[in-house]
Amino acid sequence: AQSVTQLDSHVSVSEGTPVLLRCNYSSSYSPSLFWYVQHPNKGLQLLLKYTSAATLVKGINGFEAEFKKSETSFHLTKPSAHMSDAAEYFCVVGRGNTPLVFGKGTRLSVIA
Amino acid sequence: EADIYQTPRYLVIGTGKKITLECSQTMGHDKMYWYQQDPGMELHLIHYSYGVNSTEKGDLSSESTVSRIRTEHFPLTLESARPSHTSQYLCASSDSLGGVDTQYFGPGTRLTVL
Repeated sequence: AQSVTQLDSHVSVSEGTPVLLRCNYSSSYSPSLFWYVQHPNKGLQLLLKYTSAATLVKGINGFEAEFKKSETSFHLTKPSAHMSDAAEYFCVVGRGNTPLVFGKGTRLSVIA
Repeated sequence: EADIYQTPRYLVIGTGKKITLECSQTMGHDKMYWYQQDPGMELHLIHYSYGVNSTEKGDLSSESTVSRIRTEHFPLTLESARPSHTSQYLCASSDSLGGVDTQYFGPGTRLTVL
């Protein structure tokens, strides 16, 4: 069975400071991993995905994530937060033909 | 990038009404999904389909039903709406490029049942 744990339900950062959203996964096989972002009253938008190629994955809007098999982690980072980054972020695991498994989400607040 | 359309975006109805939430995609994806999401909460998979005439129930028990008669269309129906159905409903479709399912989401339908 697959699962993801997002370690923080809420993260607050100041504008211009780094962002770190933490995600640990559990999977019996080599997983595919995703980060999605959801702005208020909107659907989910794909930020980036890991599919067993490069372990450091670059996404949209300056976000990136590193797959660390030894730590079973896939943390999302951004060097400098912008006000428009305030949103809900979901870490997701998938494998083959089974539906994706979503984490519970991390709400990112950005303080001016 | 997939184009996923959901209508209506917002719906307020009375208890006992029958409603259908529409979802269409224009990318020819075989796989489609419905999720239920309460405000600020996690997503729950309620239905999915891997092709025409194929539907499955998801992890969360739901009183809704779905149909998949055409590849591009995946409507969700509530025969008799109740206040407990108040939620946001998100539709998604996925491609399997490179053997990995990547889901693309519609904007959602926010349903309120009075």
